[in-house]
Amino acid sequence: EVQLVQSGAEVKKPGESLQISCKGFGYDFSKYWIGWVRQMSGKGLEWMGIIYPDDSGARYGPSFQGHVTMSVDKSINTAYLQWSRLQTSDSAMYYCATGTRITAAWVAYNVWGQGTDVTVS
Amino acid sequence: DIQMTQSPPSLSASVGDRVTITCRASQSTDNWLAWYQQKPGKVPKLLFYKASNLENGVPPRFSASGTGTDFTLTINGLQPDDFGTYYCQQYRRTPWTFGQGTKVEIK
Repeated sequence: EVQLVQSGAEVKKPGESLQISCKGFGYDFSKYWIGWVRQMSGKGLEWMGIIYPDDSGARYGPSFQGHVTMSVDKSINTAYLQWSRLQTSDSAMYYCATGTRITAAWVAYNVWGQGTDVTVS
Repeated sequence: DIQMTQSPPSLSASVGDRVTITCRASQSTDNWLAWYQQKPGKVPKLLFYKASNLENGVPPRFSASGTGTDFTLTINGLQPDDFGTYYCQQYRRTPWTFGQGTKVEIK
């Protein structure tokens, strides 16, 4: 079964660093772009960016550029989302997602992680 | 950025009703448009890709259409399980952008 499994909920203080993970199972992880999506409490979905596991090429949404870093370790089929200095406004649910229909960046997300709840307080 | 505008923001309908949600893009998406359903506390679920292609396992009471900048999601014969928030998303040009969502409630 194709799935993405994310790391568990985090509670952090402002100014702290954080890395959350997303591990792929059941498919050729390196060939399909991984996207990250933020959902603040009671709000809609916001696209953060995408990363290509095979070469770590990444594209960031302008609202997130410079504030988060996406990375990947294809040897362990895992993508990461990292903050160097958290802010209270980073409190949200974070999803990783991928589209396995085609090996291209422009793909709808048919596989989603279960989400990682981040609380910064 | 391509802005996505959904309407209505919310709706309440009865079981068996036909429900239509619209999504308008600020510029052409070349039909690189997806629809998702998200239930409270759950992960988004892909319903349609490339504007009108039904994802595997999605009931055929769901349909989608549109081209360019104007798109529609229709539920023919609303079922109790169809509650939730529906989002459109363009993936034509980064940043991919979502509509603000349409919340569907069952009367």
